[in-house]
Amino acid sequence: LAKTTQPISMDSYEGQEVNITCSHNNIATNDYITWYQQFPSQGPRFIIQGYKTKVTNEVASLFIPADRKSSTLSLPRVSLSDTAVYYCLVGDGLTGGGNKLTFGTGTQLKVEL
Amino acid sequence: NAGVMQNPRHLVRRRGQEARLRCSPMKGHSHVYWYRQLPEEGLKFMVYLQKENIIDESGMPKERFSAEFPKEGPSILRIQQVVRGDSAAYFCASSPPPSGVPYEQYFGPGTRLTVT
Repeated sequence: LAKTTQPISMDSYEGQEVNITCSHNNIATNDYITWYQQFPSQGPRFIIQGYKTKVTNEVASLFIPADRKSSTLSLPRVSLSDTAVYYCLVGDGLTGGGNKLTFGTGTQLKVEL
Repeated sequence: NAGVMQNPRHLVRRRGQEARLRCSPMKGHSHVYWYRQLPEEGLKFMVYLQKENIIDESGMPKERFSAEFPKEGPSILRIQQVVRGDSAAYFCASSPPPSGVPYEQYFGPGTRLTVT
């Protein structure tokens, strides 16, 4: 499974756009990039997944450059409720007997007024 | 459609006792995963199960820990003779069968185990 590196923490203010970048230099051809969000005392929640270029849903956008060695999660117009830990995961869903997820320490996003 | 359910939400055990954590997957999901999260850390994979079958237990400690997912009923994570180091949040997740595209996993609210 590809190792990922992301900032430990980020601070922002309500209404701003937040971009969290994740490095995954050893990403394999079959790997997908997935982001999860975790609020305190809750289980992680799937946000978005992509393989290349750009993916957008109602919550976020995911930008993946051509070399796929990094990816950027973009949260438009954050609010206080977006304060959470964001995890970047890379894997193909098949290695290791299925969909075993490997979580790093994530990025603690703090949104203030 | 109810989400993943875990119980109890909080569990306190004395050292040497047994802890049993239960997980009911989402309806239609046949795959269950258990993860452990220590304070200030990310989740660590423990075990991956299908009904009546352990697929991958590479993250399980060699002793005192076991997991099952019977044909009927919830998945159970069992910790025998608990020690203080077992204090953590234990999360269960479920998904449909994996394919070429990683499925998203649906996590339960977790069970917070405290060993005194």
